[in-house]
Amino acid sequence: GENVEQHPSTLSVQEGDSAVIKCTYSDSASNYFPWYKQELGKGPQLIIDIRSNVGEKKDQRIAVTLNKTAKHFSLHITETQPEDSAVYFCAVNTGFQKLVFGTGTRLLVSP
Amino acid sequence: NAGVTQTPKFQVLKTGQSMTLQCAQDMNHNSMYWYRQDPGMGLRLIYYSASEGTTDKGEVPNGYNVSRLNKREFSLRLESAAPSQTSVYFCASSTQLNTGELFFGEGSRLTVL
Repeated sequence: GENVEQHPSTLSVQEGDSAVIKCTYSDSASNYFPWYKQELGKGPQLIIDIRSNVGEKKDQRIAVTLNKTAKHFSLHITETQPEDSAVYFCAVNTGFQKLVFGTGTRLLVSP
Repeated sequence: NAGVTQTPKFQVLKTGQSMTLQCAQDMNHNSMYWYRQDPGMGLRLIYYSASEGTTDKGEVPNGYNVSRLNKREFSLRLESAAPSQTSVYFCASSTQLNTGELFFGEGSRLTVL
């Protein structure tokens, strides 16, 4: 089945710095790559997604880049703020139409 | 807007007891899912329902059963709870199967002693 690896598992940055989280996957048929943010005690919430016909997508301070040849995609958060502190999950759809999630990255933004 | 509502939010069971987690969505979504979340393992799909009247196994279905009661409701049943089923369970829904945004409930924390 699809294997999704997510790194790092924890990331600490100072407010205003950039944060980058990377995911690799194995199924070359995958064509949908969402990122979810989970705040403490809440369910995950979609923050950005990308489909395989584009290489980059931006939404204000958040961007996702996709390299289908290398089978990896990354989440970039610029000008981090304390409210960005959360757990972030990448996900990949498989040829069997199921979403497989990465293991999560705990981001801590210190003031 | 309620979105996806799960009940109960917390539950403690003894080994061998049974229980049902309830989930309802008010977004007229076709597809619904049950995930479990364990430390260091991300979210793993237990069962899903592509549309009303259908259910399919996910990655970790053993020990669970589901019922898609109608378009709004999707329940998860543990027939004989085991300590390995201690986890946080999330219900989610989407307009279509796995190609768009998943909307998650706030989770149900289950402890099996």
